[in-house]
This record gives sequence, C-alpha cells and structure tokens, in this order.
Amino acid sequence: AQSVTQLGSHVSVSEGALVLLRCNYSSSVPPYLFWYVQYPNQGLQLLLKYTSAATLVKGINGFEAEFKKSETSFHLTKPSAHMRDAAEYFCAVRTDTGRRALTFGSGTRLQVQP
Amino acid sequence: DGGITQSPKYLFRKEGQNVTLSCEQNLNHDAMYWYRQDPGQGLRLIYYSQIVNDFQKGDIAEGYSVSREKKESFPLTVTSAQKNPTAFYLCASSKSATNEKLFFGSGTQLSVL
Repeated sequence: AQSVTQLGSHVSVSEGALVLLRCNYSSSVPPYLFWYVQYPNQGLQLLLKYTSAATLVKGINGFEAEFKKSETSFHLTKPSAHMRDAAEYFCAVRTDTGRRALTFGSGTRLQVQP
Repeated sequence: DGGITQSPKYLFRKEGQNVTLSCEQNLNHDAMYWYRQDPGQGLRLIYYSQIVNDFQKGDIAEGYSVSREKKESFPLTVTSAQKNPTAFYLCASSKSATNEKLFFGSGTQLSVL
C-alpha cells in the first residue's frame, strides 16, 4: 500500500521568503507523486506532478518539487512567497499497481505574513 | 462551461436519516471519486468508479453507498450507519483511471442536526 506523510500541519512565512512544504512517501513500487492546492471553500487543483521523467518538476504559480528516491521525499518549494499563496497544500501518491486512485496526505496550511 | 458540480453546498442530516449528495460532470470523464475531508486528516477516499456501472470501496466506505448508472453522475448516499457524518465532502473526476489530473467540485458541507 502507498502512503504520504506531510510534516507540519501549519507553516508560516513572511512575504518574499522561501516556501518549503515537506512530503515523504512510502511505496513498494515506483510512485507517481502530486501536489494539489486548496484555496478557502474550494475544491483542489493540481499544482504539479512527478511521473518518472525529470526529477525536478515545475508547476504553476512558481512552485516546484524535487523527487529524491534516496530520501523518499517530494518536497514543494517556491523561492519567494506571495500573499496569494496562502492556502492548504496536499501531497498525494498513486502507483500502477493496486488501487487506481490518489492517496492524499493530511495537508499543510500555509500562512503568508505581510 | 465544462466542469464538475456538487449540490447542495450545505446539507443537514437528522439522526437516523439517509441523505444523498449529488455530483455531476460534463467533462466526459470515465473516472469519478468521492473524498471526505476532516480538519487535520486531509482527504480520505470513500468510493471511486473507474467506469460506468462499476465502483470500488475506498478506505472509509462503511456507512456510505454510491451508484454509477450514468457516466455523468456519481451520487453519494450517507446512511444512518455512518455515525460521524459531519465533514466536507469532495467529488472529483478524471479522464481515465490512469490519468492523475483530478478535477474537483466545490464541495458539500454536511452537518448533523
């Protein structure tokens, strides 16, 4: 079975500071990994995904994530935070075997201070 | 406009009552999903359907039921057997079961009276 763990349920940064949201995965087969973002009172939308091509993945709104197999990690970063980045971020995993549905982490709420 | 529509936005359930949450998509997607969102627990999979007339249990299917009689529709019934139904319910769809880009509805908040 696959799973993801997001370290830190709340992260607060200043506007212009580096954003780092952590995600570690567990999977016995090569995983597909995703980051989704949820703005208040809305559904989720895809930020970026890793599907075994380049290990550094660039997404929308200046976010990127790096797949590190040796660390079983897929951390999300952004060099400079904007106020509009305040939202909840979810890491998710899927594999080609077993259940064909995403398994989500518990989420990290990002606050951006002016 | 293509999209996925959930209704109602807010729903209240009395004890012992079954309630049904609607999810409709006009994206011509084969796969549809129901997730439950609780604070601090992320999204947990209730049921999913890879194709019409077929569906599978997710991690927390007890107390819920679904049907997939039409490609566009995947209603979720919260039965009286679900003892803690208060949560935010999200429906999603994807082009196929192997396509990872999920399109989400705007959710239904279910509360118990």
